[in-house]
This record gives sequence, C-alpha cells and structure tokens, in this order.
Amino acid sequence: QSALTQPRSVSGSLGQSVTLSCTGTDSNIGGYNYVSWYQHRPDKAPRLLIYDVYKRPSGVPDRFSGSKSANTASLTISGLQADDEADYYCCSYAGTFNVELVFGGGTRLTVL
Amino acid sequence: QLQLQESGPGLVKPSETLYVTCTVSGGSVGSDSHYWGWIRQSPGKGLDWIGSVFYNGDTYYDPSLKSRLTLSVDTSRNQFSLRLTSATAADTGTYYCAKRGIDYSDYTDWFFDLWGRGTLVTVSS
Repeated sequence: QSALTQPRSVSGSLGQSVTLSCTGTDSNIGGYNYVSWYQHRPDKAPRLLIYDVYKRPSGVPDRFSGSKSANTASLTISGLQADDEADYYCCSYAGTFNVELVFGGGTRLTVL
Repeated sequence: QLQLQESGPGLVKPSETLYVTCTVSGGSVGSDSHYWGWIRQSPGKGLDWIGSVFYNGDTYYDPSLKSRLTLSVDTSRNQFSLRLTSATAADTGTYYCAKRGIDYSDYTDWFFDLWGRGTLVTVSS
C-alpha cells in the first residue's frame, strides 16, 4: 500500500485535458509544499514534470501544471497528445524523522 | 549531459546480499551540491524511496530497510552504490538510481530531476 493514493487509471481524448489526483495526509502533502510529479513510459527513465507543487523544470511544456489543496495534489495535462500515454507518479516530502520521501502507486493515463 | 546507468546482478538468492551500482557519466558524483537517491518498484506496485547519499557519505535511509541497507559513493569510479543484506523475495523489483535536483531560487531539493532506466533484480532460489 503506497503512502500516497492515486487512481489506478485515467483516460482522456486527444486534445482534451485530464487531471490526476494524489491524496496524502497532513504528514506529507498537507504539511509541505514539496510535491513532485513524474512521467514514466515503458523501458524509459522516469521524467520529472513538476516539483514544489507547481514549478516546471526547463524543457517541460506548459501543458503540464500542478496544484495542491489541503492533502490532495493534482497534475493537469491539457491538450492531450498520444505520447502523453504513460504512468504518472506523485511524490511528497514527508519529514526527516521517518521516510523522507513518499510516492503514490501511480496512475496509468490512456489517451483515446 | 549527465546520465545515470544502473547495473545489478539480475538474480540473487534469498539470504544473500543484493548489490546495485549507478554509474554517473557526463558529470561528477562528487559534486558538493547534490544528493543521489535510490528508488525501487516491486512488480505491479508503485515506487518506494529507499534512501539518499551525499558525496561526503552522509546517508538517509528508509527506516524499514535501515538495518540491512548501506548506501555509498565511490568518487574514484564516479559511481554510487546500494548494498542490501539478507535479501528476501520482498526485495524483488526494479531498482532506480536518481539525482536530487536543486531549485537555487529557494534552495529546495526534494525532487529527483534525473533518473536511470532501472535494473531488475529478482530474489529467488
């Protein structure tokens, strides 16, 4: 059981927008603004999309955006493209007294 | 540019030691700015943080693995490594090495901005 809860699967049509959720607790997502999101395609290295809740690394299109409300973080992908089909993982800092970083179980995004 | 490549044994017998290495190319593992991390994915499951190591040897471990885990850096080989003793079937999975990034605008570093492709390790007799 992962510390952060993500829906197992989400689907969206080409060109549409989808929002992936990631629910934690006051001890992780709710307590810190250190949520990151990763895209993982089969046989590829995971790729950082969002860090510190909403910040985008250089090279990541602005179609990807992040937000947080209370204990739930969200990743929105707008203008869905075929190669957005992948697994998406959220991650949050959880303090230095236990497990520093916790991940979600991942969401499989299918582009219709 | 900086790249990470994991290498591991593929198959480990139960109770033996699991050893995975990450080779850094295009940069130095001895950078005084970055933590290097390990994450694993059990079959059909999500990602789990294993631990982080700094170039000077400072380490931070998942408490559930701490008694069996050693992370280290070898600057002469430009590598960092994971050593997990008393392996069990529960340690089967894909092991990823990664670099913690830094946002210099506010010096936050709780994210991984570069990952390797992972290496599958199976613990079985």
